Amino acid sequence: EAGVAQSPRYKIIEKRQSVAFWCNPISGHATLYWYQQILGQGPKLLIQFQNNGVVDDSQLPKDRFSAERLKGVDSTLKIQPAKLEDSAVYLCASSVSFDRYEQFFGPGTRLTVL
Amino acid sequence: DAKTTQPTSMDCAEGRAANLPCNHSTISGNEYVYWYRQIHSQGPQYIIHGLKNNETNEMASLIITEDRKSSTLILPHATLRDTAVYYCIVFGSGNTGKLIFGQGTTLQVKP
Repeated sequence: EAGVAQSPRYKIIEKRQSVAFWCNPISGHATLYWYQQILGQGPKLLIQFQNNGVVDDSQLPKDRFSAERLKGVDSTLKIQPAKLEDSAVYLCASSVSFDRYEQFFGPGTRLTVL
Repeated sequence: DAKTTQPTSMDCAEGRAANLPCNHSTISGNEYVYWYRQIHSQGPQYIIHGLKNNETNEMASLIITEDRKSSTLILPHATLRDTAVYYCIVFGSGNTGKLIFGQGTTLQVKP
């Protein structure tokens, strides 16, 4: 069974530039999550989708971050404009549904903002 | 905020059992205890979960105290590949699926 795919794996940008990350969840998984993991900390949920609807985006900095999940499958997370403090690993995870608590994580995208 | 308390770091000799403790004194009756681990440069990986009974799978065993205020994850024969950060997470059935990660325990397995 293919796992959660993410791209790119690494990205370096200058502050105030924009960047986008892509996630392809496990086939058939209805729930998709984006987490931000700052160095030395545990992952923090940014946004959760159930199919193509948003369930929780309470911790998403909406003035600069946006996310979408078209057709309830792939998802993109965008940052515009980036700040230095956005340097982190962005993890995508999926699960069969929101009440099935085993989440499968992708390898993450490491973002460095200079 | 995370509802759990874990030691910051632990060492274990290769081949020996690794016992990772977790305190969750405010756990509610309908909340599960989940364990994930994160190997360096990888995403977190689900290990095991339980409600009140002890659980075992091919990766680990989970021992939950009778009052459910603490638990222990046991890796029966630790290998170097088990070196990782281990996260204990309390998760309720009414939750929408949001995992709240704390700092976790960094387990170093030594030869």
